[in-house]
Amino acid sequence: QKEVEQDPGPLSVPEGAIVSLNCTYSNSAFQYFMWYRQYSRKGPELLMYTYSSGNKEDGRFTAQVDKSSKYISLFIRDSQPSDSATYLCAMGNTNAGKSTFGDGTTLTVKP
Amino acid sequence: GAVVSQHPSRVICKSGTSVKIECRSLDFQATTMFWYRQFPKQSLMLMATSNEGSKATYEQGVEKDKFLINHASLTLSTLTVTSAHPEDSSFYICSARALGQGNNQPQHFGDGTRLSIL
Repeated sequence: QKEVEQDPGPLSVPEGAIVSLNCTYSNSAFQYFMWYRQYSRKGPELLMYTYSSGNKEDGRFTAQVDKSSKYISLFIRDSQPSDSATYLCAMGNTNAGKSTFGDGTTLTVKP
Repeated sequence: GAVVSQHPSRVICKSGTSVKIECRSLDFQATTMFWYRQFPKQSLMLMATSNEGSKATYEQGVEKDKFLINHASLTLSTLTVTSAHPEDSSFYICSARALGQGNNQPQHFGDGTRLSIL
């Protein structure tokens, strides 16, 4: 079993929809959580970084962490075609040398 | 925001050639840099982790003599694919993590290098 599980999709939504992307994890030592967006043929871009349970909002993006359930989510409001990309969750702890990444969810927002 | 520059973005060369890829953190110092490989529509595969001034730590199955990593300064790491063959063709992405307390800084990625070996 992988430490981080992420549904690969693909996920297709109409423009303006609310998108929910999710990851579950098994390692209770994870302390910080990230979401990245990767466009085709580009490197991943950091979208959100959070250290605690609860919600963190940045524009149309909200990251949610539930450490008790080992579950994190990224919500995208008023989705746009430009949001079409692969979204990767990642997590780590201060003792680990590297972050652990999910496999990514491919999202398409149709005009 | 933190910027990581990776160069070149695209390489096409003949089999047997050695290829060097550079990764620079432009506006922060990176104690740790990571090198990933990604095949089309697949997830990131970590190849190795390097810390400034020390030898890189390679993931299981990655040949260290094939993929030479040098992390000579807090802002530069290089990956050299030695004697590249067609099976080495892939998308290579570097990542850097800024100085911080206890490894709690997020990783920032370069834009990748698409390597094609003919």
